[in-house]
Amino acid sequence: ILNVEQSPQSLHVQEGDSTNFTCSFPSSNFYALHWYRWETAKSPEALFVMTLNGDEKKKGRISATLNTKEGYSYLYIKGSQPEDSATYLCAFANSGGYQKVTFGIGTKLQVIP
Amino acid sequence: DTAVSQTPKYLVTQMGNDKSIKCEQNLGHDTMYWYKQDSKKFLKIMFSYNNKELIINETVPNRFSPKSPDKAHLNLHINSLELGDSAVYFCASSPFGGYYEQYFGPGTRLTVT
Repeated sequence: ILNVEQSPQSLHVQEGDSTNFTCSFPSSNFYALHWYRWETAKSPEALFVMTLNGDEKKKGRISATLNTKEGYSYLYIKGSQPEDSATYLCAFANSGGYQKVTFGIGTKLQVIP
Repeated sequence: DTAVSQTPKYLVTQMGNDKSIKCEQNLGHDTMYWYKQDSKKFLKIMFSYNNKELIINETVPNRFSPKSPDKAHLNLHINSLELGDSAVYFCASSPFGGYYEQYFGPGTRLTVT
């Protein structure tokens, strides 16, 4: 069983605050790390995919970093807005066989206006 | 046009019944997935097919049987439904390989009474 852990499981921030959360994954057999955004009553949508140690990706106010040697990724949101409220999922793809993707339980972010 | 569609969106049925959920994707992807979102909101892989071939089969009761008539369709049939099968079931598709983002359907909320 591959352990993909995310922390915190939930957090509340004030509008305008910056925040970050963590995804931990096995450092062996790494292939790719994905971040998804999942709004309530909708389906998960991809934000980033990262494959190389030290990768950084950015989309607007959201960015992510990757450390494959120690097995973690951070997602940062700068100047949180109410529309950022969602669950953020990370997903780890291993390098063996069919490159199975395992999702974490997610971090549920609530931005308070 | 909806990229990944599922029918029905809601399904309410009694224990012991047999039901099916259908999934279709028009993205030309080779790989399709079924996920179960459990009571803790965790997205857990059930099955994955690549070009109509079963490639991932997690520990799922054999009352659940996927069928892929062609690579654009992946249906989920559930026999002898139990209360614990109540959940939201998501279908997804992607090109083959763990690098690629998955596109999710809208989900099917199954309620077993």
